[in-house]
Amino acid sequence: GEQVEQLPSSLIVQEGASVLINCSYTDSASVYFPWYKQEPGKRLQFIIDIRSNMERKQTQRLTLLFDKKTKHLSLHITATQPGDSAIYFCSASRGGGSNAKLTFGKGTKLSVKS
Amino acid sequence: GGIITQTPKFLIGQEGQKLTLKCQQNFNHDTMYWYRQDSGKGLRLIYYSITENDLQKGDLSEGYDASREKKSSFSLTVTSAQKNEMAVFLCASSPGDTGQLYFGEGSKLTVL
Repeated sequence: GEQVEQLPSSLIVQEGASVLINCSYTDSASVYFPWYKQEPGKRLQFIIDIRSNMERKQTQRLTLLFDKKTKHLSLHITATQPGDSAIYFCSASRGGGSNAKLTFGKGTKLSVKS
Repeated sequence: GGIITQTPKFLIGQEGQKLTLKCQQNFNHDTMYWYRQDSGKGLRLIYYSITENDLQKGDLSEGYDASREKKSSFSLTVTSAQKNEMAVFLCASSPGDTGQLYFGEGSKLTVL
């Protein structure tokens, strides 16, 4: 089945720095890649997604890049703030309906120091 | 807006006991999920359901049963709790296409 790997597993940065979280997947049939954020003590929340027919998506301080050939994604967060401290999860699925199974990576714990 | 409610928030059981977790959503979403979250292992899919009375096994279904008797609810049963079962169980729902998942707050299971 699908396997999703994330690197690094954790990182610590100073407020204002940019960070890059890398994600790779194995199933070439995966077409949808949402990312989630889990702040301490809070429920997971969706932050950004991309589909396999796109190469780049940006929303506010988040940029998500997708390379179908290498099965690789990277999430770039600019101008980090202490409120960005959370665990970030990459995930992948083949689509909707009976393909709605979403496989998650192990997460990247980001700590932003003020 | 909608919400996903998981009950109970904390569940303590004895080894070998059968334990049930419940999840309700009022989004009117078609698809619901149960994930297990262990520290350092991310989220692993136990069961999901694409519609009422449907069940699909995930990667970690052994030792669990699930039930989707209504569109709005999805329950998960640990058939015989083990000490290495201690984890947070997360319920989620999505609209049924490749839409984003909406998560509950989680149910923390402790096995004595």
